[in-house]
Amino acid sequence: DAGVTQSPTHLIKTRGQQVTLRCSPKSGHDTVSWYQQALGQGPQFIFQYYEEEERQRGNFPDRFSGHQFPNYSSELNVNALLLGDSALYLCASSAPGQGGNEQFFGPGTRLTVL
Amino acid sequence: GNSVTQMEGPVTLSEEAFLTINCTYTATGYPSLFWYVQYPGEGLQLLLKATKADDKGSNKGFEATYRKETTSFHLEKGSVQVSDSAVYFCALSDKNTGKLIFGQGTTLQVKP
Repeated sequence: DAGVTQSPTHLIKTRGQQVTLRCSPKSGHDTVSWYQQALGQGPQFIFQYYEEEERQRGNFPDRFSGHQFPNYSSELNVNALLLGDSALYLCASSAPGQGGNEQFFGPGTRLTVL
Repeated sequence: GNSVTQMEGPVTLSEEAFLTINCTYTATGYPSLFWYVQYPGEGLQLLLKATKADDKGSNKGFEATYRKETTSFHLEKGSVQVSDSAVYFCALSDKNTGKLIFGQGTTLQVKP
């Protein structure tokens, strides 16, 4: 079992650019959630995808958007990057109702905005 | 709204010392509770969980008990090792939404 995988590992962008991050969930999981973790902080929920639709959304602007594909993999897109978007972006997968909504995390993508 | 509060770190202990990291929560309903651990440069790993009041989660010598009366989920370990040095996050999950809400994290440093 490969677990949750994310790509790329690191990314450097400049302000105003756009970025796409990718995530493949753990085998058997159909729900993907994205979190932003700023340095020294706990992860903050961005949104969750299930059955190719956004099911839940946190307090993030519309510059943050996502997509889920039929194979359950997911993308996170961020437009018009700001310096404050620099963070570790974590993807987590789960199977609803199982394990008390336990989520399994990938290693993250470290985004640096210059 | 739902929230999680952890004791501030860093926590510095000698090897074989007893560890307690406090965690309290505010939530409507009956959330599931989790402890995650993050080693330097890595993502989050689930350490233990509890899904209902009075449940005790345990793993790798760590334990935490879901206390509804005190809305707490304190993490304990009887004898820490240098390899336990990491950042520990307490989190709750709303059973309806599945969204995780994290505390700010507590850094643990164990010295030989």
